[in-house]
Amino acid sequence: GENVEQHPSTLSVQEGDSAVIKCTYSDSASNYFPWYKQELGKGPQLIIDIRSNVGEKKDQRIAVTLNKTAKHFSLHITETQPEDSAVYFCAAMTGGSYIPTFGRGTSLIVHP
Amino acid sequence: DTAVSQTPKYLVTQMGNDKSIKCEQNLGHDTMYWYKQDSKKFLKIMFSYNNKELIINETVPNRFSPKSPDKAHLNLHINSLELGDSAVYFCASSQDPGVRGGGGYTFGSGTRLTVV
Repeated sequence: GENVEQHPSTLSVQEGDSAVIKCTYSDSASNYFPWYKQELGKGPQLIIDIRSNVGEKKDQRIAVTLNKTAKHFSLHITETQPEDSAVYFCAAMTGGSYIPTFGRGTSLIVHP
Repeated sequence: DTAVSQTPKYLVTQMGNDKSIKCEQNLGHDTMYWYKQDSKKFLKIMFSYNNKELIINETVPNRFSPKSPDKAHLNLHINSLELGDSAVYFCASSQDPGVRGGGGYTFGSGTRLTVV
């Protein structure tokens, strides 16, 4: 089955810095890669996703890149703000599958 | 408008009791899920229903029984609660992955279950 590794488990940055979270996956059939943000006391929220026919996708301060050959994808947050502090989960899904394989999460702390 | 709503938000109960968690989605999604999040934040799939039919049933004790009266509702009933059941339970919904743009989940805000 699919295996998703996520690093780092904790990331601490100063406000205004950039943050990068990296994930690797094992199943070359995976073709959909969502990222979720979970704030304290809330459910995970889909913030950006990428499909395997695209190498990069941006939405304001966040971007995701995908390298299918190396089987890794990354979340990039620029100009971090304290409200970006949360746990971020990456996930990988194969076509037609209902269930993603989640990474174990990265706790991002942005210091004012 | 809350897209996926689950109740209650907090549930404290004694070992051996039976409890239910309710979930409703107003997104028109065909598929709903129950996830368990442990203290280390790991998200583990428990069940999935598509149009009221059970499609995923992971290795979960049979004390847990999901029920879907219609495609907008998926409830979770837990019998004979144990200390190890303490966790946060999330309901979620999604469009079918075969639908253009489908696959991503909308999660509820969670139910924190504490068994004492």
